[in-house]
Amino acid sequence: TQLLEQSPQFLSIQEGENLTVYCNSSSVFSSLQWYRQEPGEGPVLLVTVVTGGEVKKLKRLTFQFGDARKDSSLHITAAQPGDTGLYLCAGALAGGSYIPTFGRGTSLIVHP
Amino acid sequence: DVKVTQSSRYLVKRTGEKVFLECVQDMDHENMFWYRQDPGLGLRLIYFSYDVKMKEKGDIPEGYSVSREKKERFSLILESASTNQTSMYLCASSSRGGGEQYFGPGTRLTVT
Repeated sequence: TQLLEQSPQFLSIQEGENLTVYCNSSSVFSSLQWYRQEPGEGPVLLVTVVTGGEVKKLKRLTFQFGDARKDSSLHITAAQPGDTGLYLCAGALAGGSYIPTFGRGTSLIVHP
Repeated sequence: DVKVTQSSRYLVKRTGEKVFLECVQDMDHENMFWYRQDPGLGLRLIYFSYDVKMKEKGDIPEGYSVSREKKERFSLILESASTNQTSMYLCASSSRGGGEQYFGPGTRLTVT
């Protein structure tokens, strides 16, 4: 059983559409990170959320941490082809190891 | 900017060969990690190190060993490469508190 469940697994949309990616768990996390990985490259850190209910914005990307710190979402407004990539969430369990647990990722393709 | 570099982007080795993958980070991070990434399986932790000469097994350490003689350098060794070790290998580092990880560009290893 995956500790962090990401959905959807795959997403193929047209440029200009909006989308939301979810990262869910039954466990509480002290912090949660979102990464984007382009084909053939390593993941790149986008954001860290720490406080329950926290919302962070990065241009057209909005990240939210659930009130109970068990889940998170990533919303992209007016997606562009440059947003194409694998989106990974990762979190460190509250009171546990500093080693993060990764979700399996959401593969996003934005068609021009 | 944090920089994590890996010794090779692409590597082709024969079954039975000894393979060295090297990772260097320039942010004075205490923690370093080696992952492999395979389609449908996500990121899987092979080994990590929280200090010089210290190492801990991750989820899939079999067939691998590591070395950390200097703080900035973490090496992954495949003692006798096998075809099922064909994969994308990613190195990452993080500060002592954990959480945010910074990844290298990855090494695509093919064992024939």
